[in-house]
Amino acid sequence: GAVVSQHPSRVICKSGTSVKIECRSLDFQATTMFWYRQFPKKSLMLMATSNEGSKATYEQGVEKDKFLINHASLTLSTLTVTSAHPEDSSFYICSARAGQGGSRTEAFFGQGTRLTVV
Amino acid sequence: GDSVTQMEGPVTLSEEAFLTINCTYTATGYPSLFWYVQYPGEGLQLLLKATKADDKGSNKGFEATYRKETTSFHLEKGSVQVSDSAVYFCALWQNFNKFYFGSGTKLNVKP
Repeated sequence: GAVVSQHPSRVICKSGTSVKIECRSLDFQATTMFWYRQFPKKSLMLMATSNEGSKATYEQGVEKDKFLINHASLTLSTLTVTSAHPEDSSFYICSARAGQGGSRTEAFFGQGTRLTVV
Repeated sequence: GDSVTQMEGPVTLSEEAFLTINCTYTATGYPSLFWYVQYPGEGLQLLLKATKADDKGSNKGFEATYRKETTSFHLEKGSVQVSDSAVYFCALWQNFNKFYFGSGTKLNVKP
């Protein structure tokens, strides 16, 4: 199957700093990428959907100025957590969907990024 | 709105026991249904999927059948192994655009 690579897998940062997480589709073009947040022992919550070259669409309750999403190319989307605070500590997972035909019937997930803000 | 409900865990079984994790959904139209598995500290891996009613998805001994009449997609395996211990998520994908995930069910398999 298609591969989505997420980097870094773990990051620890100081409160007040910003952290960037990358999500790359390695062997297909991802017209749409999704960013999820997973709280401990909870399900995944969709944060935002981004289409290549367009502004991301954020879910209700997600601060777009805090969680900056850029989808500048068909293989790369980034999530930047700005002015991070301990409550932003979480597991973030990206997902990428190819754009055409039967490939649209599946999205592929990255391995996730564990963010710890101290 | 669309939603997925799956049985709460944890589910604890002995090796070689039969597994069922229930999943029901509410959706308009004809969504695709998925089971994902998450091992500790890792992301989601697709376990199996079904894209239309009466389809059966299967992989690694796991099976699930898309039942439109009961709006269900229960996950089953005839003989679980210790290596199957993980969290399992049922999900529906509406219009190839948005996933709705269940709350996840943790499976513990004891030797």
